[in-house]
Amino acid sequence: DIQMTQSPSSLSASVGDRVTITCRASQGISNSLAWFQQKPGKAPKSLIFAASSLQSGVPSKFSGSGSGTDFALTISSLQPEDFATYYCQQYDSYPFTFGPGTKVDIK
Amino acid sequence: EVQLVESGGGLVQPGGSLRLSCAASGFTFSNYAMSWARQAPGKGLEWVSTILSGGSTYYADSVKGRFTFSRDNSNDMLYLQMNSLRAEDTAVYYCAKRGFFDSWGQGTLVTVSS
Repeated sequence: DIQMTQSPSSLSASVGDRVTITCRASQGISNSLAWFQQKPGKAPKSLIFAASSLQSGVPSKFSGSGSGTDFALTISSLQPEDFATYYCQQYDSYPFTFGPGTKVDIK
Repeated sequence: EVQLVESGGGLVQPGGSLRLSCAASGFTFSNYAMSWARQAPGKGLEWVSTILSGGSTYYADSVKGRFTFSRDNSNDMLYLQMNSLRAEDTAVYYCAKRGFFDSWGQGTLVTVSS
């Protein structure tokens, strides 16, 4: 099975900051990686698929990069509505797996 | 607009069964793979199962042999039959479109407890 790790597990940031979250796969997954945002008590929301493709309706402040084993999600200018937990997911091979999550909170 | 609405969650005793449903609308259902994920209280997301448009199914080891994922393309419905339930199956269950979860339902809570 492919293991997904994320770093950091949590971070504190200020409004306006540029934030980068990394995700690493235990083996190569090409670009079969998705990113999600989840707020407390809510369903996750898709942000990125195919490592760098923005989901329809997602603001361009979110961007994804990487291929193979190393990936990143960047938020260019953090806004109050972006404080949430972020997850990556590989869908290259079954069983699909999620990363453990990165919680972004207010400094 | 894609809509996914789960139902069927509730309280069940260990060893019991439950069937979750997910009603899909807003897209050509039969063309897409569909998936379930779950989230235990206070924990992260866990992939549970994916069903392809042709009906092939894939499962997490943690549910293999106990859960069955099926689809009804005539009625745009998904079903997750959960048997031999355990306390560790307690979670919010989400249905989603595609294997990369591009749209999610609101979730339904399953609690396994005596």
